[in-house]
Amino acid sequence: EVQLLESGGGLVQPGGSLRLSCAASGFTFSSYAMSWVRQAPGKGLEWVSAISDSGGNTYDADSVKGRFTISRDNSKNTLYLQMSSLRAEDTAVYYCAKRSQYSNNWYTDYWGQGTLVTVSS
Amino acid sequence: QSVLTQPPSASGTPGQRVTISCSGSSSNIGSNTVNWYQQFPGTAPKLLIYSNNQRPSGVPDRFSGSKSGTSASLAISGLQSEDEADYYCATWDDTLFGGGTKLTVL
Repeated sequence: EVQLLESGGGLVQPGGSLRLSCAASGFTFSSYAMSWVRQAPGKGLEWVSAISDSGGNTYDADSVKGRFTISRDNSKNTLYLQMSSLRAEDTAVYYCAKRSQYSNNWYTDYWGQGTLVTVSS
Repeated sequence: QSVLTQPPSASGTPGQRVTISCSGSSSNIGSNTVNWYQQFPGTAPKLLIYSNNQRPSGVPDRFSGSKSGTSASLAISGLQSEDEADYYCATWDDTLFGGGTKLTVL
C-alpha cells in the first residue's frame, strides 16, 4: 500500500524558513517522480514543485521560484521542500504527491494527507 | 483565478447524470491531456480520471472523462449521495489546475 506521510508544517513568521518532509513507502521511491501541491484555506489546488526520479531535474511554479527548493533522498525514501522568504500567501496545506506516466503524460496517482503551513506574525 | 475554467458549483439528484466542464486554451488543454481529481472536505485529493478518459482501478465506471479541442468534461452517471465532493481538472502534466467545482447531490 502506497503511503506518503508529510511532516514539518507549522506556524512561521513572514520572511522565515521551513522544511517539509515526506516519508514514502509501499512503492519503489527511486523509480518515480514526485511533486508538492498546495491548497490555501478554502481555495483550489496549486502545483508548487516537481522532481524527477533521480532528483536530477526539478521544476518550480513561478510563485515560488527562487524561494522554494524541492529535493529528495532516495536512500531514505524521503522527499523534501525547503521553503524560505515565506509570505502570508504561502499559507496552505502542502501535499506530497507521487507522479506516474501514461503515454508520456504525467498524472498524480497518490497524495499524502497534507501538512499545514501558516505564515503569520 | 485559474487559467482553466470550471463552474464553481454543480448539482443533481440521485440517479441523475451530471457533467462538469473544464475550459482552457490551445496552449494548455488543447495540447495536453487532462486529469480529474475528487476531494472530500478535509481530505487529500484522489485520482479519478487520467489521460482524458482512463479510469484507475477501483474507480467506478459511473465516472468518465472526455476531451474535445480546448475543453474537457467529467461525467458522473447514476449520481449517488457519496459523490458530493469537490472536483478538479488538471493539465500540463498536473502543473495547472482548474478552480474546482463543488458538486451537491440534492
